[in-house]
Amino acid sequence: EADIYQTPRYLVIGTGKKITLECSQTMGHDKMYWYQQDPGMELHLIHYSYGVNSTEKGDLSSESTVSRIRTEHFPLTLESARPSHTSQYLCASSDWASTGELFFGEGSRLTVL
Amino acid sequence: AQTVTQSQPEMSVQEAETVTLSCTYDTSESDYYLFWYKQPPSRQMILVIRQEAYKQQNATENRFSVNFQKAAKSFSLKISDSQLGDAAMYFCACPNFGNEKLTFGTGTRLTIIP
Repeated sequence: EADIYQTPRYLVIGTGKKITLECSQTMGHDKMYWYQQDPGMELHLIHYSYGVNSTEKGDLSSESTVSRIRTEHFPLTLESARPSHTSQYLCASSDWASTGELFFGEGSRLTVL
Repeated sequence: AQTVTQSQPEMSVQEAETVTLSCTYDTSESDYYLFWYKQPPSRQMILVIRQEAYKQQNATENRFSVNFQKAAKSFSLKISDSQLGDAAMYFCACPNFGNEKLTFGTGTRLTIIP
C-alpha cells in the first residue's frame, strides 16, 4: 500500500490569493512529481524532483513553484492564483532504483474564482 | 519526444464480458517498463499492471492481462470477466529519459453495463 498524502483535497479560493498544495510520502522515495490533470482528464507533468534540493520543470509550463527541503515533502505553491489555475493536481513518488512505477496521492482539486 | 496514444476515448462493456483497451507508444529507450493505471471517479490513481519491455511473455494480474507487441510498439490491456468496480479512466504510460519520468496517454473511460 502506497503512503502518499495530499492536502487539501478540495480548495476554492479567490483570484490573487497565494496557495500551497502539500504532498508528503512515507516511503522514502527519492523521486517526486506533480501532474496537472485537466477537465478532459489528460495528465501533464509540471514539476519533478530527484531528491533533496533538486527541482526541475516538467513538460507543461506552469506558473507554480515547488521546493524539496526534505525527502518526504514536496509542496507546490501558486503566488497569485488565477481562474486558469483551476485544475486537479496530482502528486506522485517513485523509488530511484525502481521500475519507474509511480505511486499517486488522492489529488488536490483547486478552483479559483 | 516520447508519445503515448490511446485511440479510444470511451469504451463500454457488459458485466462479465471481456474488453480490450488499446495503446501505442513511441520511445527511444532500449529497456523500459510500460504501465496501465486506473483512476476511479474521484479516487486515487493506482497501478493495474506493468510490462517489462525485454520480456516476451505478456504480463498477467488476475483478470487483467496485456498484449505487448514490442516491434509494433503496442501495449493493449485486456480485462476479463468485467466487474462494476472496473469502471474508471484507464491510462497507459511510457517512460522517458531512462525511466526518470512517465508520459501518459489521454486515457480511456471504461463504463461497465450491468
